[in-house]
Amino acid sequence: TQLLEQSPQFLSIQEGENLTVYCNSSSVFSSLQWYRQEPGEGPVLLVTVVTGGEVKKLKRLTFQFGDARKDSSLHITAAQPGDTGLYLCAGPQTSGSRLTFGEGTQLTVNP
Amino acid sequence: NAGVTQTPKFQVLKTGQSMTLQCAQDMNHNSMYWYRQDPGMGLRLIYYSASEGTTDKGEVPNGYNVSRLNKREFSLRLESAAPSQTSVYFCASSGHPQETQYFGPGTRLLVL
Repeated sequence: TQLLEQSPQFLSIQEGENLTVYCNSSSVFSSLQWYRQEPGEGPVLLVTVVTGGEVKKLKRLTFQFGDARKDSSLHITAAQPGDTGLYLCAGPQTSGSRLTFGEGTQLTVNP
Repeated sequence: NAGVTQTPKFQVLKTGQSMTLQCAQDMNHNSMYWYRQDPGMGLRLIYYSASEGTTDKGEVPNGYNVSRLNKREFSLRLESAAPSQTSVYFCASSGHPQETQYFGPGTRLLVL
């Protein structure tokens, strides 16, 4: 089973700060997905990165897929309280049977 | 468009009781999944069904059984609940196993 490790596990910052969270593996993934889970709800897909070196932007969120397709990062600029939630990365198993999820980064943005 | 629905939303059980968590999706998806999420933790896969008529164990299947009733519905059964099964249970579906998963709102289960 290919594993995904996310860091940091917990992050608490003030509104307006920038932050980066990481998703790393020793295995190559064909693609990686990023989800956000708000308190009391199920995870929702934010973006999928497919090509090594790819950068995708979603408003204040910037996602990057590593050149070797073994890692990804999520950078948030000028964080807002509405960004609070659990950020999960996920990648497809080479067996094709399912996705593997990382443990997640719990982000709290304080007003 | 309802997406993925789960019932019940909340449940309290006593140790040893049984119950079935229901999940249905209206997106004509082939694959469905059951996860559990403990406080401050990520998702752990209990069982999944890559396509109608198939089910497979995930990371933490002990104490659970599943039934893929038809393409729309995938139920999770606890035969004899234990306090260690206190958790939030999420059902998800996807068009194919490697594609985006769509999650339900969750079932919050407390086993006393």
